[in-house]
Amino acid sequence: AQSVSQHNHHVILSEAASLELGCNYSYGGTVNLFWYVQYPGQHLQLLLKYFSGDPLVKGIKGFEAEFIKSKFSFNLRKPSVQWSDTAEYFCAVNANAGNMLTFGGGTRLMVKP
Amino acid sequence: DTGVSQNPRHKITKRGQNVTFRCDPISEHNRLYWYRQTLGQGPEFLTYFQNEAQLEKSRLLSDRFSAERPKGSFSTLEIQRTEQGDSAMYLCASSFQTGGPYNEQFFGPGTRLTVL
Repeated sequence: AQSVSQHNHHVILSEAASLELGCNYSYGGTVNLFWYVQYPGQHLQLLLKYFSGDPLVKGIKGFEAEFIKSKFSFNLRKPSVQWSDTAEYFCAVNANAGNMLTFGGGTRLMVKP
Repeated sequence: DTGVSQNPRHKITKRGQNVTFRCDPISEHNRLYWYRQTLGQGPEFLTYFQNEAQLEKSRLLSDRFSAERPKGSFSTLEIQRTEQGDSAMYLCASSFQTGGPYNEQFFGPGTRLTVL
């Protein structure tokens, strides 16, 4: 069965700091990879996704993620965070025809103004 | 609002009672998913429907849980004889999926269940 690990449970940054959130998955076959974000009081929203092609994918609000197949990783990055990026971030993997998602445990990011 | 909607948003019940939640997906989305999220964890897959057919159920879905999507539109998730361990956020998501590549799942706001 596939699994997803997010190493950082809580991250606190100051505005303008750079962000990198780790995500590793365990599955040997072809995967689709996602980062979802949940802002306080809001629904889960898709931030970015990787299916194939360029392993560096860009999402909304200046986020990007890099798929490194050899490391089974899909880390999320942003060069300069803003207070409005305060949210919980979830990495997710899909590796089957049903397209159900397997989520990591989430990383709660707090950006101090 | 044309997004995924869920009702009720909050439900408090006593142990042993039955509860039912409803999910209205985005219209014309043929796939509907249920997930459960407990505090400090990511969502966990429970079950999904393609139109009215329930195609897969997680082993997390005990016999006390049943889900339906009778006309391929809205879905209900019922929990019988609730236990305190059922306390969680129940999320619904929908997508339009053909045989091609994966399409984004859109999530609803969730129903937060508290079992006393």
